Amino acid sequence: DTEVTQTPKHLVMGMTNKKSLKCEQHMGHRAMYWYKQKAKKPPELMFVYSYEKLSINESVPSRFSPECPNSSLLNLHLHALQPEDSALYLCASSQPASGRSTEAFFGQGTRLTVV
Amino acid sequence: LAKTTQPISMDSYEGQEVNITCSHNNIATNDYITWYQQFPSQGPRFIIQGYKTKVTNEVASLFIPADRKSSTLSLPRVSLSDTAVYYCLVGDGTGGFKTIFGAGTRLFVKA
Repeated sequence: DTEVTQTPKHLVMGMTNKKSLKCEQHMGHRAMYWYKQKAKKPPELMFVYSYEKLSINESVPSRFSPECPNSSLLNLHLHALQPEDSALYLCASSQPASGRSTEAFFGQGTRLTVV
Repeated sequence: LAKTTQPISMDSYEGQEVNITCSHNNIATNDYITWYQQFPSQGPRFIIQGYKTKVTNEVASLFIPADRKSSTLSLPRVSLSDTAVYYCLVGDGTGGFKTIFGAGTRLFVKA
């Protein structure tokens, strides 16, 4: 199994809603990532978890709250988002800190629209 | 982190070989060079990775000169389905692996 599965595929939420994005992988990877991608722009790194611990937070606003319940799951909790937060949210996983491999496996993304 | 520079876009025709060059002048000794492909509304997909000289797999080749300050992704005999954005990244996978994408190259393959 070389898949990273993200749910839901599409999400529309109001600015006062609370929602969560979910990501799952069963490749035994111990590093997991959240990226945000706006149209015609490259993915922007948001968070990195290594061995279930948050290792990188790229100064992301607190309305985005990541969680890594176990080595296979990664969540992104959303609260009080703004319309400009509408984007494709990508989850990825890889082997961490191998000193060699930077091959990350990406999910298909969640298309988020904030209204 | 080493910054990468790529052409914004390239055009090609079906059946041609396409070479996309990436500049990474401040690449570190431990950094590897990795290329990803991304189609619209999909996650990036790993294509190839290398450290020096030449690497080849079933879909592409990666050429890295001795000074490692640049690299060239070569796609043999492209087809319409190779129309996508191609990203060059450098990193060594340490420190929790901070993968930063550059602007990428939009490749348009025409019939």
